[in-house]
Amino acid sequence: GEDVEQSLFLSVREGDSSVINCTYTDSSSTYLYWYKQEPGAGLQLLTYIFSNMDMKQDQRLTVLLNKKDKHLSLRIADTQTGDSAIYFCAESRNDMRFGAGTRLTVKP
Amino acid sequence: NAGVTQTPKFRILKIGQSMTLQCTQDMNHNYMYWYRQDPGMGLKLIYYSVGAGITDKGEVPNGYNVSRSTTEDFPLRLELAAPSQTSVYFCASTRDRGGEQYFGPGTRLTVT
Repeated sequence: GEDVEQSLFLSVREGDSSVINCTYTDSSSTYLYWYKQEPGAGLQLLTYIFSNMDMKQDQRLTVLLNKKDKHLSLRIADTQTGDSAIYFCAESRNDMRFGAGTRLTVKP
Repeated sequence: NAGVTQTPKFRILKIGQSMTLQCTQDMNHNYMYWYRQDPGMGLKLIYYSVGAGITDKGEVPNGYNVSRSTTEDFPLRLELAAPSQTSVYFCASTRDRGGEQYFGPGTRLTVT
């Protein structure tokens, strides 16, 4: 089947930038998403990018898509302790497939 | 709008017991999904529904059943609970297939 892969852990210092990477295999994906999960809560959509775009910026968040390499990244500028969470990459054409999630820890 | 609500929040079952996890959405979404999330893993799709009266299996349907008698409700049934079903269960809904999914807060189930 098609897979979505992410590294499991990332640790950064407060104020630094965080970059979370994701690779996927389904070249026909229509949308690619980043979801955030805080402890004890469900997933919340953070941002998404349409597959014909290379980049999308939304305040502190920048999404980069390299469709040729099937690589998606999420950059969080000026990372804060409140950004500590698990971040899930997901791709969809019909149904949605999720990566295993990257646990971001922000140290003061 | 309340969005997607799930009950209960927590449940402990003994092996062989049955239970129903409830999911309701008030956004008039046609598509609804049940996922399970195991520690350190992504979400695995159990069942989904594209509208009232229509359900289909996802990636890991064994041991579960669903029904969709109304647009709003999509209950998940465990008939004979097994320790392998210990997980956090999330219900989600979306307006369009492949579109943004709205998640409930989850049900943490332990089978001992």
